[in-house]
Amino acid sequence: GQQLNQSPQSMFIQEGEDVSMNCTSSSIFNTWLWYKQDPGEGPVLLIALYKAGELTSNGRLTAQFGITRKDSFLNISASIPSDVGIYFCAGPSMNRDDKIIFGKGTRLHILP
Amino acid sequence: KAGVTQTPRYLIKTRGQQVTLSCSPISGHRSVSWYQQTPGQGLQFLFEYFSETQRNKGNFPGRFSGRQFSNSRSEMNVSTLELGDSALYLCASKRTVNTEAFFGQGTRLTVV
Repeated sequence: GQQLNQSPQSMFIQEGEDVSMNCTSSSIFNTWLWYKQDPGEGPVLLIALYKAGELTSNGRLTAQFGITRKDSFLNISASIPSDVGIYFCAGPSMNRDDKIIFGKGTRLHILP
Repeated sequence: KAGVTQTPRYLIKTRGQQVTLSCSPISGHRSVSWYQQTPGQGLQFLFEYFSETQRNKGNFPGRFSGRQFSNSRSEMNVSTLELGDSALYLCASKRTVNTEAFFGQGTRLTVV
């Protein structure tokens, strides 16, 4: 079945640094979704991308839908302590089961 | 517009008991999916309901079951609880089958 591979699995950065993480697949997706999960809470939708090549921003977050439709990246600029959490990429399955496929997440740690 | 509501937030049960978790989706959303999240395991898909019908099922034993009511509210039930069932159980609602998913805060189940 379709799978999403996220990298890196975890990252340790200094407060104020920019962050980049990505998500790849061997098969195409028509929609890419990026979620953030705070500890003990449910994931929150950050950005949704619907067209190949689309670049969308949400505050300090920017995400792009890869032109091949097999990848997407998420950038966070000028990180702050509340950016800590797990970031998941996801996309609706291209099979007829209509499931949403999730990556395993990138865990972001911010050093003071 | 109210978000996805899951009850209870926290639950402690003993091995062998059964448990029922509840999820009220966003008003107007007809699809409800359930996920199990354990540390380091990402989001494991349990099942999805749409208009009271189970559309998809993940690879979980028959002890895990669910249903959806005519008002789109959903319940999931786990019978004969095992220690390994301790996890955060997340519910996500979608307006229809191939749209973005919005998560509740989750129910933290601890089996002792």
